[in-house]
Amino acid sequence: GEDVEQSLFLSVREGDSSVINCTYTDSSSTYLYWYKQEPGAGLQLLTYIFSNMDMKQDQRLTVLLNKKDKHLSLRIADTQTGDSAIYFCAASGGYNKLIFGAGTRLAVHP
Amino acid sequence: EAQVTQNPRYLITVTGKKLTVTCSQNMNHEYMSWYRQDPGLGLRQIYYSMNVEVTDKGDVPEGYKVSRKEKRNFPLILESPSPNQTSLYFCATNPGGGGYTFGSGTRLTVV
Repeated sequence: GEDVEQSLFLSVREGDSSVINCTYTDSSSTYLYWYKQEPGAGLQLLTYIFSNMDMKQDQRLTVLLNKKDKHLSLRIADTQTGDSAIYFCAASGGYNKLIFGAGTRLAVHP
Repeated sequence: EAQVTQNPRYLITVTGKKLTVTCSQNMNHEYMSWYRQDPGLGLRQIYYSMNVEVTDKGDVPEGYKVSRKEKRNFPLILESPSPNQTSLYFCATNPGGGGYTFGSGTRLTVV
């Protein structure tokens, strides 16, 4: 069935770049998403990319999509302590749902 | 301001006592859905609705009911809650492509 996988933890030093990786199985996914969840909070849409794009940049965020390998990545430049959160990768499963990964916990240390 | 509003934010209940979690959106979106979030599993879809009076099961519908009598509201009903339904619940809407908007979540504990 449809599946999205991502690593569970990432630790980076403040000021460095963070790269969170994700793989998905459904090649028909039209949109791929990155959501951020801070402790005790809901899901914040960070960015999304249409499947016919290779890259999308939005300020400190860069999304790369390798459709052939079904690989999505999120790069956060100049990572700050406020970026500490859980990051979810999600793929659209048709019009009616999102398939989520388990989430990557990003820890930013001084 | 575009919003998805869930109530309550926190709920502790006992096994078997019926409860309803409400969800309301002000974006006039036809599509609404419910997800549950569990550690290590990400979010999984419970039910979705493509329009008024049109609902369908997601990946984990057992133990849940929904209704869609009007476009803005999509309540989640647990007729007889059990401890394995202890979870964090999210309501979401989508305009028909692009980004999904999620509510702030409802943390449910069933004892």
